[in-house]
Amino acid sequence: GAGVSQSPSNKVTEKGKDVELRCDPISGHTALYWYRQRLGQGLEFLIYFQGNSAPDKSGLPSDRFSAERTGESVSTLTIQRTQQEDSAVYLCASRGQGSYNEQFFGPGTRLTVL
Amino acid sequence: GQSLEQPSEVTAVEGAIVQINCTYQTSGFYGLSWYQQHDGGAPTFLSYNALDGLEETGRFSSFLSRSDSYGYLLLQELQMKDSASYFCAVHTGTASKLTFGTGTRLQVTL
Repeated sequence: GAGVSQSPSNKVTEKGKDVELRCDPISGHTALYWYRQRLGQGLEFLIYFQGNSAPDKSGLPSDRFSAERTGESVSTLTIQRTQQEDSAVYLCASRGQGSYNEQFFGPGTRLTVL
Repeated sequence: GQSLEQPSEVTAVEGAIVQINCTYQTSGFYGLSWYQQHDGGAPTFLSYNALDGLEETGRFSSFLSRSDSYGYLLLQELQMKDSASYFCAVHTGTASKLTFGTGTRLQVTL
């Protein structure tokens, strides 16, 4: 079956604009995670969804960042009033209910804020 | 908080064996995973250790010592395609939240 998909693959925006990043997880996966990866760095946890609820938002860097999930499927990460330090690759991962350890990652959205 | 340390770069010859170490400090530890990421690609899962000892999956093995807060990834019979970044990541909590290390860039040479 299909893996995790993300769109757009690349996004270039101007400082101060809002952006929306989309993640389509593997069908049936109840857990969904967003991560941020700056150039040459490891992945930073942003937010975790179980179903449509987000019990852990501890990694969101500021109130400019928000995310939602609907239908226990697609998720959208929104960054308002983007700043240059938001430039990074944003990765989404999903995990099946029967598996604790393996997360399946999408290809990411490369965000560049000019 | 959580912190993980791993070497930034390792170079090895095709056909050789390489070990990538990871030490961690964390609370609520559930297990240690390893992910591989090629340049521009998505991280892909390699292995998971919840208990002490060695887990073997083909050419890759992973080891964990919970008492030492230490693990390693062992790659055998290195191939050029193994050139990538390797991340260790600790699982915390029942939600399997991952905290990643900064990654080890492996360069396999002829």
